Amino acid sequence: SQTIHQWPATLVQPVGSPLSLECTVEGTSNPNLYWYRQAAGRGLQLLFYSVGIGQISSEVPQNLSASRPQDRQFILSSKKLLLSDSGFYLCAWSVGGAASTNEKLFFGSGTQLSVL
Amino acid sequence: KQEVTQIPAALSVPEGENLVLNCSFTDSAIYNLQWFRQDPGKGLTSLLLIQSSQREQTSGRLNASLDKSSGRSTLYIAASQPGDSATYLCAWVPSGNTGKLIFGQGTTLQVKP
Repeated sequence: SQTIHQWPATLVQPVGSPLSLECTVEGTSNPNLYWYRQAAGRGLQLLFYSVGIGQISSEVPQNLSASRPQDRQFILSSKKLLLSDSGFYLCAWSVGGAASTNEKLFFGSGTQLSVL
Repeated sequence: KQEVTQIPAALSVPEGENLVLNCSFTDSAIYNLQWFRQDPGKGLTSLLLIQSSQREQTSGRLNASLDKSSGRSTLYIAASQPGDSATYLCAWVPSGNTGKLIFGQGTTLQVKP
């Protein structure tokens, strides 16, 4: 069966510090991978998605970046955090490939980031 | 602009009631629509997925319907239980935008014993 792991669960970082959140998927190959952010009082916002190694699409211009160094590994980074980066970050995956007609999304358990 | 609106934002009902959560989206050119459940401080759990060609999906006490012409979906929960208390999120994928879900802000449900 497929599983998705996301860590850490909670993180408190000072403004201006770097960030690295990691997400890995097991039990599937060539998944589509996504990073979402859920800010207080707002819906989920898609930050980045990837359809393959080294292929990253950015949805929202900001000081965050994403990388996919391996097929089932997705990393969210920042060189200098802002107060506005606080929020609940969720990694997700779906079956990849043009033949897939079921875009059901499976989410990780999330990372609560507080920038102080 | 592609958006999702969920009504009501919050709902509190006594145990045993049947209830309906509403979701509206801005474009009839839809690839699929999904309903998720989120418990406080947790990730999302997919409940039901309705493809563009389908009108409804059922899983246990849950039934979701899709009306593309009116841009609406409803999630029906039968015989609600306290364990159903959570935030329910609706999300849709516009045609040609495969995999990029657009989420509503959710309906927070409280079922009182």
